[in-house]
Amino acid sequence: NAGVTQTPKFRILKIGQSMTLQCAQDMNHNYMYWYRQDPGMGLKLIYYSVGAGITDKGEVPNGYNVSRSTTEDFPLRLELAAPSQTSVYFCASSLTGTANLWYGYTFGSGTRLTVV
Amino acid sequence: KQEVTQIPAALSVPEGENLVLNCSFTDSAIYNLQWFRQDPGKGLTSLLLIQSSQREQTSGRLNASLDKSSGRSTLYIAASQPGDSATYLCAVRRETSGSRLTFGEGTQLTVNP
Repeated sequence: NAGVTQTPKFRILKIGQSMTLQCAQDMNHNYMYWYRQDPGMGLKLIYYSVGAGITDKGEVPNGYNVSRSTTEDFPLRLELAAPSQTSVYFCASSLTGTANLWYGYTFGSGTRLTVV
Repeated sequence: KQEVTQIPAALSVPEGENLVLNCSFTDSAIYNLQWFRQDPGKGLTSLLLIQSSQREQTSGRLNASLDKSSGRSTLYIAASQPGDSATYLCAVRRETSGSRLTFGEGTQLTVNP
């Protein structure tokens, strides 16, 4: 039972380069999320998806794009990387739930990205 | 806008001490609260999840309480051990935000042998 798998674990990009961070889950969760975590800070939501074909912006979407063609995969695309995008990126997933029956988030292990 | 605050930002205690980590939130209209642990350079591991009608959850030496009316949650760690050293984050799920969580900035705990 793999849970949420993120690749790569580490990456160094040059300014202006592009890359895709991969995220896959095998729990049949309908919700998926991308967060970034800067040193000493909490997690900020970049994008999220409520199901295949449906995505929406979070708090800090500028400079990123996402797609959700399948339930399992939710890649995050960085176009024209900038030093401000140096961060640790976490993918998470969850199931739809009610107020009293919700199972919470499962997180991946993260991708540490440095833009130089 | 929901804001989640965790105090203190850092805490250092001797092994064996009982301790309390605090989490406060500005919007009391929440469904759930989830506590996570994060080890250095690692992802987040779920510790405890409190459902809307619950006031507390327990797992081993950990106990989390939730008081929605006062906008507070506490994470109690009994008989702390060096292996408890990590950053602890709380996150709330608002009634109006679907399944999205809003995170606090965390409390960095160090338990000294």
